[in-house]
Amino acid sequence: GESVGLHLPTLSVQEGDNSIINCAYSNSASDYFIWYKQESGKGPQFIIDIRSNMDKRQGQRVTVLLNKTVKHLSLQIAATQPGDSAVYFCAERDRGFKTIFGAGTRLFVKA
Amino acid sequence: DTGVSQDPRHKITKRGQNVTFRCDPISEHNRLYWYRQTLGQGPEFLTYFQNEAQLEKSRLLSDRFSAERPKGSFSTLEIQRTEQGDSAMYLCASSSGVGSTEAFFGQGTRLTVV
Repeated sequence: GESVGLHLPTLSVQEGDNSIINCAYSNSASDYFIWYKQESGKGPQFIIDIRSNMDKRQGQRVTVLLNKTVKHLSLQIAATQPGDSAVYFCAERDRGFKTIFGAGTRLFVKA
Repeated sequence: DTGVSQDPRHKITKRGQNVTFRCDPISEHNRLYWYRQTLGQGPEFLTYFQNEAQLEKSRLLSDRFSAERPKGSFSTLEIQRTEQGDSAMYLCASSSGVGSTEAFFGQGTRLTVV
């Protein structure tokens, strides 16, 4: 069935370093791939998305890379800050607008 | 508009009781989603509305679950005859439509069935 998974459950980085969070997906028919950030006690917050016909998209301090050959998605956060500490979910959306989430990676930023 | 609002934030109920949650989406958003999230897991899709029409319902949603969006604005999610396995965070999200994947989530309703 459809699934979105993550390679690492936790990631610890030093403040100021770059973070890379990885994700594997299985549904080649997904239209969009999306990254969400969830802080404790809050709902997920949209970070950035990428359409399936693109391989890279940049936002403010974040870059998403899509490798359709190996069904791999990554989120790069530049100059990681303490406020970036959260759980990050990759998700995929089909043409019917249903979004499927992975299990999440917890990012710890050390001061 | 301050975003997606969910009520109540917390609900404790006894097994076998019925519960109803409410979601008020961002006012101009025509799409509304319900998800369930358990500790350490990503949100699981439950159902989705476009305006008042319920377009998709997950196989996770048993017959005890029902959702409505009668006027295409707020939505309710009802769970009948609650079970301990229903304990979770129930999240609502809304989005504006074509060309945008950005869904805005509420803070959720945490349900505990005792």
